[in-house]
Amino acid sequence: AQKVTQAQTEISVVEKEDVTLDCVYETRDTTYYLFWYKQPPSGELVFLIRRNSFDEQNEISGRYSWNFQKSTSSFNFTITASQVVDSAVYFCALCGGSQGNLIFGKGTKLSVKP
Amino acid sequence: DTGVSQNPRHKITKRGQNVTFRCDPISEHNRLYWYRQTLGQGPEFLTYFQNEAQLEKSRLLSDRFSAERPKGSFSTLEIQRTEQGDSAMYLCASSPALASWGTQYFGPGTRLLVL
Repeated sequence: AQKVTQAQTEISVVEKEDVTLDCVYETRDTTYYLFWYKQPPSGELVFLIRRNSFDEQNEISGRYSWNFQKSTSSFNFTITASQVVDSAVYFCALCGGSQGNLIFGKGTKLSVKP
Repeated sequence: DTGVSQNPRHKITKRGQNVTFRCDPISEHNRLYWYRQTLGQGPEFLTYFQNEAQLEKSRLLSDRFSAERPKGSFSTLEIQRTEQGDSAMYLCASSPALASWGTQYFGPGTRLLVL
């Protein structure tokens, strides 16, 4: 069975702090993709990153960085120098198999206070 | 490119009524997915289309749920004889790839409240 676990339900930080959102996944597929989406209060899911199972290089995009470790089945997301606009629910998702549907975790609600 | 659009954005209905939601994907996107999201949960997959073909519908929540994508363009999701438990956000996503792992881009969702 495929599963995504985001153990942190809610995180609260003060602006400019760094914060890491954890994601652990389970799959028997050898080829799969991992995603992060942001859902601000408006409700629309915004795509952040897509990573395939053969590429374990870490990725950095501005204040965002992602750490993919196949050995621990984790795909963690770090926001450096957080800002109030980063406040949202963040979802990690797994895609494997022929259908291509996403399997989401329950999300982590991040609150960044000024 | 305009993004994925969904209509209506909000729907309030009485138990037992039928409702239909529409999704317009990003133009030329082959794949279209429907998800349901309840409060405090991640989206849950319901069904998907590749062009006009519905390739998976066993995950639809009951036989009261049905979806169509005529001509491979927009899609509709219908819920018949709504129940209070159907209250949720219904999300549509589209993907440009024929392969199953293309990035999915989501619409703003339709929030359904069944009284």
